[in-house]
Amino acid sequence: SQQGEEDPQALSIQEGENATMNCSYKTSINNLQWYRQNSGRGLVHLILIRSNEREKHSGRLRVTLDTSKKSSSLLITASRAADTASYFCATDPFSGGYNKLIFGAGTRLAVHP
Amino acid sequence: NAGVTQTPKFQVLKTGQSMTLQCAQDMNHEYMSWYRQDPGMGLRLIHYSVGAGITDQGEVPNGYNVSRSTTEDFPLRLLSAAPSQTSVYFCASSRGQGAGTQYFGPGTRLTVL
Repeated sequence: SQQGEEDPQALSIQEGENATMNCSYKTSINNLQWYRQNSGRGLVHLILIRSNEREKHSGRLRVTLDTSKKSSSLLITASRAADTASYFCATDPFSGGYNKLIFGAGTRLAVHP
Repeated sequence: NAGVTQTPKFQVLKTGQSMTLQCAQDMNHEYMSWYRQDPGMGLRLIHYSVGAGITDQGEVPNGYNVSRSTTEDFPLRLLSAAPSQTSVYFCASSRGQGAGTQYFGPGTRLTVL
């Protein structure tokens, strides 16, 4: 079973609007990461937030982490058509042994000009 | 640096055939992993390795073998291909032995008839 679940599954917005995607997970984690995948391509790392961090920024991206609710959100501000992609959260569950990265099913974002 | 490379890009197999998907990285990363991506299901971890000579199973290891004789290479072997193994396969690597920021290859699209 997958650790992370993104919400919504699909999101359609206009250029200039903000896009918010949410991720929920089930077990304690070491870190949570967000990735982007353009159609037919490999995944590209966007941002990593550790379990002891609450918020992180990178350019137009803002990620929050609430470990008490086991949830994270990714905010893309002032979206552009080039932001059209699938976005995945991935968690590094705290297992006491070697670490694995478990991905959710993703949110498909469409940004219309 | 070439990053993470995968060969072949596309492959068609008949049921029962075997093959090896190649993955190589030139970043001296200790951690390497294989994922499969099926429509609507995100990425699922097949096998991973935290260093040469050390491998472990992920979420969906059945039907696949791996070995890690060098830091650079992490091949994935399909022993007897089945239609259920039709998928896109991604290799990824990261520094250290934990599941940190992953660098992904471009993927191999495999069809099993």
